Amino acid sequence: QKEVEQDPGPLSVPEGAIVSLNCTYSNSAFQYFMWYRQYSRKGPELLMYTYSSGNKEDGRFTAQVDKSSKYISLFIRDSQPSDSATYLCASSPGGSARQLTFGSGTQLTVLP
Amino acid sequence: ETGVTQTPRHLVMGMTNKKSLKCEQHLGHNAMYWYKQSAKKPLELMFVYNFKEQTENNSVPSRFSPECPNSSHLFLHLHTLQPEDSALYLCASSQYTGELFFGEGSRLTVL
Repeated sequence: QKEVEQDPGPLSVPEGAIVSLNCTYSNSAFQYFMWYRQYSRKGPELLMYTYSSGNKEDGRFTAQVDKSSKYISLFIRDSQPSDSATYLCASSPGGSARQLTFGSGTQLTVLP
Repeated sequence: ETGVTQTPRHLVMGMTNKKSLKCEQHLGHNAMYWYKQSAKKPLELMFVYNFKEQTENNSVPSRFSPECPNSSHLFLHLHTLQPEDSALYLCASSQYTGELFFGEGSRLTVL
C-alpha cells in the first residue's frame, strides 16, 4: 500500500466549477500536509500548507485535513483555466522537507 | 537568475553514455535535493545534501552519482543508465525544515 494515495485523473471541469481534489494516507504519524501545483513543463510549487486537522483557506483555495479518516482535500472555488495543472498532495510526520511523501498527482483541466 | 535553475532542460543519451545534470539555487538555502518524477508515480526522493554533506541516499543505483561542491550547486552524474531511468529529474532546495523550492526539471530520455 502506498503511504499517500491520489487519484491520477485526468479531471476536466468547466470554468467556474468547484473542484475537489483528494488524497488518502496510511501513516498515522503524518502531521504536516501540503498541496503542490505543477504546471506543464515546470517544477512543483507549494500551494497550501496545513498542520494537523482542520481547514485552511487562501483565496479560492481551501485545504482540509481529516486525521480521523486520513483524508486530505483541496477545494478550488470558481475554477479558472489558469488552474489547469497537476496537483500533488504531500505529507510528513515532522517539519523536515526530506520526510515528505508525495502522492502521484491529479491532472486537472479547467475548460473555458 | 532567481530561484532554482536546472540544466540541461532536455537530455537524450544512450545506455553507454556519461552525462551530468546541473542544479544551482540562488535562495541561500542550506539543503538541496534530487527527485525523480515518472509518469503516474509519486515523486521519489533520491538524494539529500545539507550544508553540502550527503544526509540521505534512498537506495539509488550507483549509476546515479551526486556531487555537491557547495551549498548552491548540485550535480547528478549519470552513466550506463537503463531505459527505465527515463524520467523528469527535479532539483529542489530548502532551509532544512522548510518549504521545498523546485527547479523546472531535466527531462531525461535513455535510448
